[in-house]
Amino acid sequence: GAGVSQSPSNKVTEKGKDVELRCDPISGHTALYWYRQSLGQGLEFLIYFQGNSAPDKSGLPSDRFSAERTGGSVSTLTIQRTQQEDSAVYLCASSLGAGRGAGYTFGSGTRLTVV
Amino acid sequence: DQQVKQNSPSLSVQEGRISILNCDYTNSMFDYFLWYKKYPAEGPTFLISISSIKDKNEDGRFTVFLNKSAKHLSLHIVPSQPGDSAVYFCAASDKGSARQLTFGSGTQLTVLP
Repeated sequence: GAGVSQSPSNKVTEKGKDVELRCDPISGHTALYWYRQSLGQGLEFLIYFQGNSAPDKSGLPSDRFSAERTGGSVSTLTIQRTQQEDSAVYLCASSLGAGRGAGYTFGSGTRLTVV
Repeated sequence: DQQVKQNSPSLSVQEGRISILNCDYTNSMFDYFLWYKKYPAEGPTFLISISSIKDKNEDGRFTVFLNKSAKHLSLHIVPSQPGDSAVYFCAASDKGSARQLTFGSGTQLTVLP
């Protein structure tokens, strides 16, 4: 597709359940990023994938969070045993190379609500 | 510990006038700064950037100014148009963590016709 696609656009889940969020980057983009935006806050870096290199997971807030990127394309962010503080908009971005932000294309995000 | 701060949650400006959005940072290692614009239900889109070796960068109606000694940057929009109404985020990164952008909390700009 022309842009970064994220699914679902909205997800309501019960506390303690696991959720999977999906990101389809722009075809040919080698770099993929996950950010999240909690209410009233700026975007917070979570994880970065670049080609076949080991991902930079330094932004993941706890070991309940994990992400993978299969075949250098689609990425899935998994949150296990969700907590209310996980409620946020989760944004995915991709870029042609390992840029510093100017070439990022963001998806419209997944709004996660943990009840 | 917010390393990038946008102290004005909202700003209203008359169409045709100048909009000035401000951003302060605390991390002296930041060497690259960006502004993003975000419409409701859409992802942020890149607007303009500036490297720390410059103090000004201009692109059409948009100019970003960087004052390194004050750790302050600003985005000027001249003239402002109703379509500029959006949330504006500033972001920064340092060479050691170049792929990790640190964002401010955003300023909602409303341009009144």
